[in-house]
Parts: sequence; structure tokens; C-alpha cells
Amino acid sequence: GESVGLHLPTLSVQEGDNSIINCAYSNSASDYFIWYKQESGKGPQFIIDIRSNMDKRQGQRVTVLLNKTVKHLSLQIAATQPGDSAVYFCAENSQPRSGNTGKLIFGQGTTLQVKP
Amino acid sequence: NAGVTQTPKFQVLKTGQSMTLQCAQDMNHEYMSWYRQDPGMGLRLIHYSVGAGITDQGEVPNGYNVSRSTTEDFPLRLLSAAPSQTSVYFCASSKSGVANSPLHFGNGTRLTVT
Repeated sequence: GESVGLHLPTLSVQEGDNSIINCAYSNSASDYFIWYKQESGKGPQFIIDIRSNMDKRQGQRVTVLLNKTVKHLSLQIAATQPGDSAVYFCAENSQPRSGNTGKLIFGQGTTLQVKP
Repeated sequence: NAGVTQTPKFQVLKTGQSMTLQCAQDMNHEYMSWYRQDPGMGLRLIHYSVGAGITDQGEVPNGYNVSRSTTEDFPLRLLSAAPSQTSVYFCASSKSGVANSPLHFGNGTRLTVT
């Protein structure tokens, strides 16, 4: 079945360093991908999205890269701060070309720990 | 805008009891959905709705009912609670489905069934 997975359950980085969180997806037809951040006791918070007709998209301190050849998605966080400590989820629309429906399937999540 | 509001924040039920988890959004979003989050399982889709009067099943719909009588509200009903339904439940909405726009989540309802 369809699945979205992250390579590492936990990533520990030094404050100020860049972080890279990876995600592998299985449905080559997926056309829309999203990264979420979830802090303890809260709901997932939208970070950045990318459509399949793009390879890269940048936001404020974050960049998402999409490699459709190997079905790989990554989230890069520049100058990681303590406030970036959270669980990060990638998600894909598992029903492309479904109009206004679609089903968002989530990966298991990677915990980012930022050391001061 | 308050965004997506879920009530209650916490709930304890006995096996066999029923209850309704409330979800409301004030962003005029057409698409709404319910997810449950369990350790090691990520977020799994229970039910979703693409507009008032329209609902459909997600990955794990058994034991749950939904209805969408208004654009703003999307309650989730547990008909007869079971310990396997102990979880954190998240309601989410998006402007026009998940093919083009991201979901916005509430802060969850933590449910324990004993």
C-alpha cells in the first residue's frame, strides 16, 4: 500500500547548524507534498509545501527539495534554533488528480533535537 | 480567526460509552477531516468531508461516525467506545481539499477509554 516514511526517527543538531530531515514516499503519482512541525501537546503546524512540478521551494529559513526520480523529499532548516525542536512530518496527497478530495498520508515523523 | 477549534481537550470514557468530539473552523474551508495519532503509527485518516452534506471514509473509519450539516462544523461520534480508540484525535481543514492546499490542524482531543 501507499506509505510515506522518514529515514531517521531522531536527529540531533547543534544550535546554529543546518538541519536536513529526509522522507521517502512510495507513490510515484503523488503530486503534492507538505512538511509539518508538531510541538508537544499541539497539532501539526504547516511549514512548507511543494508540488510535483517543482524540485525546490524556499521559505523563511526552510527549503524543501523534491527528487521524483528516487521518490525522496527533504526539509532543510538553516541556522537551527532551540525553537525548532519538534517532531517533523512529511505528508503526500495519495490521490492525485482527485479534484478537491485527495487523501493526505503522513509519515512516522522525525524528532529534531537542538542542542544549545 | 481562531482557526480550527476542538473540544474537549481531554476526555476519559468507559468501554461502551458514546461521545461526540467537536470541531469547528472559522476560515470558510470546504474540506475537513479527522485524524487519530498513535505512537509509532503516525497520523491516520478516519473520515473526511469535501463540503456540507458530503462525507467519506478514510483509512480507519470503523467505530466512528461523522456528519457535516454546516461548513463550519464537523463532529466525530464514537458510537461505543473501545480501549483501542484511546488516542489523540485531530481535526483539520483546508480551503479546497488536500490536492492543492495544506491542512490546518486543531490542537487535538486526548481520549482515554478504560
